[in-house]
Amino acid sequence: EAGVVQSPRYKIIEKKQPVAFWCNPISGHNTLYWYLQNLGQGPELLIRYENEEAVDDSQLPKDRFSAERLKGVDSTLKIQPAELGDSAVYLCASSSGGYNEQFFGPGTRLTVL
Amino acid sequence: AQSVTQLDSQVPVFEEAPVELRCNYSSSVSVYLFWYVQYPNQGLQLLLKYLSGSTLVKSINGFEAEFNKSQTSFHLRKPSVHISDTAEYFCAVRTAHIIQGAQKLVFGQGTRLTINP
Repeated sequence: EAGVVQSPRYKIIEKKQPVAFWCNPISGHNTLYWYLQNLGQGPELLIRYENEEAVDDSQLPKDRFSAERLKGVDSTLKIQPAELGDSAVYLCASSSGGYNEQFFGPGTRLTVL
Repeated sequence: AQSVTQLDSQVPVFEEAPVELRCNYSSSVSVYLFWYVQYPNQGLQLLLKYLSGSTLVKSINGFEAEFNKSQTSFHLRKPSVHISDTAEYFCAVRTAHIIQGAQKLVFGQGTRLTINP
């Protein structure tokens, strides 16, 4: 069974540019998470989806970050415009329910110059 | 709200030596506890978890952790480490109650375990 797939794995952009990350969860997993992992820190939840509904986006900086999960499967996280402080690893995870084990993708490492 | 403190950011040990990675948590309600491992350039993988029952939980690759409620700790141990155990280890906590937001995992800042030959 394939795991959580994320792309791209690495992205380098200049500040003020837009960027998007894509996540394909494990088949059948209705819960999807986006986490932010700063260098030397543990992951922090940005947003959680139950199917196509964002049920917890309290930590998502809505002035520049947006996310969508059309049809309740794949998800896209966007930053526009990117700032230097956005340089980090963006992790996607999925689970078969909000209280079940979360499976993580390899992450997208973003560098903003 | 919950919080997790991993007391050591880096732990270097020699191969075949024992190791302990420390984790303390703070919570006003009952919690579930987890250890995740992140190998270089890979995503996080669940290593072991405590949900209920025996306070000593074990992984398939020789790690174990003991839930100590009085000391609010969940330290990870292995009696003899291998080069392949080199990775970053994250302790995480989640409330055990079925309430809004209970699905949220709160992670510690991680401990980088380096095994030297």
